[in-house]
Amino acid sequence: EVQLLESGGGLVQPGGSLRLSCAASGFTYTTYAMNWVRQAPGKGLEWVSTISGFGGRTYYADSVKGRFTISRDNSKNTLYLQMNSLRAEDTAIYYCAREVQQELPTFGYWGQGTLVTVSS
Amino acid sequence: EIVLTQSPATLSLSPGERATLSCRASQSIVTYLAWYQHKPGQAPRLLIYDASNRATGIPPRFSGSGSGTDFTLTISSLEPEDFAVYYCQQRSNWPLTFGGGTKVEIK
Repeated sequence: EVQLLESGGGLVQPGGSLRLSCAASGFTYTTYAMNWVRQAPGKGLEWVSTISGFGGRTYYADSVKGRFTISRDNSKNTLYLQMNSLRAEDTAIYYCAREVQQELPTFGYWGQGTLVTVSS
Repeated sequence: EIVLTQSPATLSLSPGERATLSCRASQSIVTYLAWYQHKPGQAPRLLIYDASNRATGIPPRFSGSGSGTDFTLTISSLEPEDFAVYYCQQRSNWPLTFGGGTKVEIK
């Protein structure tokens, strides 16, 4: 069974940093690209970032480019999102998601999410 | 960036009725469209990928159709657990984008 468990959310001041983690199990981790998707309060879903199976390709939404960095440790089956220069508009539930099939960037499996609040 | 426009914003229906949700893309995305269901406090759930393929475990009352720029998600007969927000998402081009959502509420 595919399981994704996010951690690392919390309250941070504007301009601060936070690192999210997502521990994965139940599948061959390096086979699949991994993603971060977020939902701000009262808003819809927004794709944030994607990293390929071995980490050689990364993609970012314009809203986070230059501030967020996605990475993965395949020895630990863990995905990360380093978030710097945080803004109030980054406040959201952040979901880790796995693509439904190899090389098919559609979100087939999701974690329960971790809440990030950016406020002074 | 490909913009996805979902309509209507809200659909008020009764259990047993048919729901028809629309998603329009700002340019052709072939059939590279997915549909998700999202309930408060839960993770989103993939329903349909590549326009018409049901994801694992999704009941047959959910079906997707369309190609190019116009897509439809149909729920043939609404069950009580189907009242939720539905999103479409395209994978044709980076950045990946979602539509704004359609809320299916109980009438």
